[in-house]
Amino acid sequence: ETGVTQTPRHLVMGMTNKKSLKCEQHLGHNAMYWYKQSAKKPLELMFVYSLEERVENNSVPSRFSPECPNSSHLFLHLHTLQPEDSALYLCASSQDTGTGGEQYFGPGTRLTVT
Amino acid sequence: TQLLEQSPQFLSIQEGENLTVYCNSSSVFSSLQWYRQEPGEGPVLLVTVVTGGEVKKLKRLTFQFGDARKDSSLHITAAQPGDTGLYLCAGLKPDSSYKLIFGSGTRLLVRP
Repeated sequence: ETGVTQTPRHLVMGMTNKKSLKCEQHLGHNAMYWYKQSAKKPLELMFVYSLEERVENNSVPSRFSPECPNSSHLFLHLHTLQPEDSALYLCASSQDTGTGGEQYFGPGTRLTVT
Repeated sequence: TQLLEQSPQFLSIQEGENLTVYCNSSSVFSSLQWYRQEPGEGPVLLVTVVTGGEVKKLKRLTFQFGDARKDSSLHITAAQPGDTGLYLCAGLKPDSSYKLIFGSGTRLLVRP
């Protein structure tokens, strides 16, 4: 595998379910990001991790819980989501948080909340 | 709040035509990046411009950063169907080394 991978690519879940999104980067980067991409809205930054430490939580509801066990892996744990949380969730990585923003994205997980 | 306005939102052109996409803001950015996103995939970084007035070329794509670092343009010469996709600009906030502000995108369709 190369670059940034995400699983699953598609996920349908009910509002009472608990699920997790997984991201893995094979670039040797130290920073990882979660973004939300909704229709007709710009990409929204959700969380940022640098060397497994969370450095940014962009006012994200607590029903989204990130986890970064090491610099190559990032998870987004989901529980009691709302239909408006349906979106494309993108993971990205960069060399570190001081490299001027050049971020490399995974293919995303298309999430549908029913 | 810093915003990036992209125009046009949609563009449908014939193969071989030229086009320009604009990315405008009232705020200054440290740098600006352009990404292309294809359906079902994540954005792919095309270029980063850093210096006011900077021009970068990537084959048939020409990127320019405004002198005041508030705006940018992407010009495609002789567009091809493979150029079809969503073009996103993203500006790096001056007070951050990683926070990108994304535009809402320009969806380009190049018809054969």
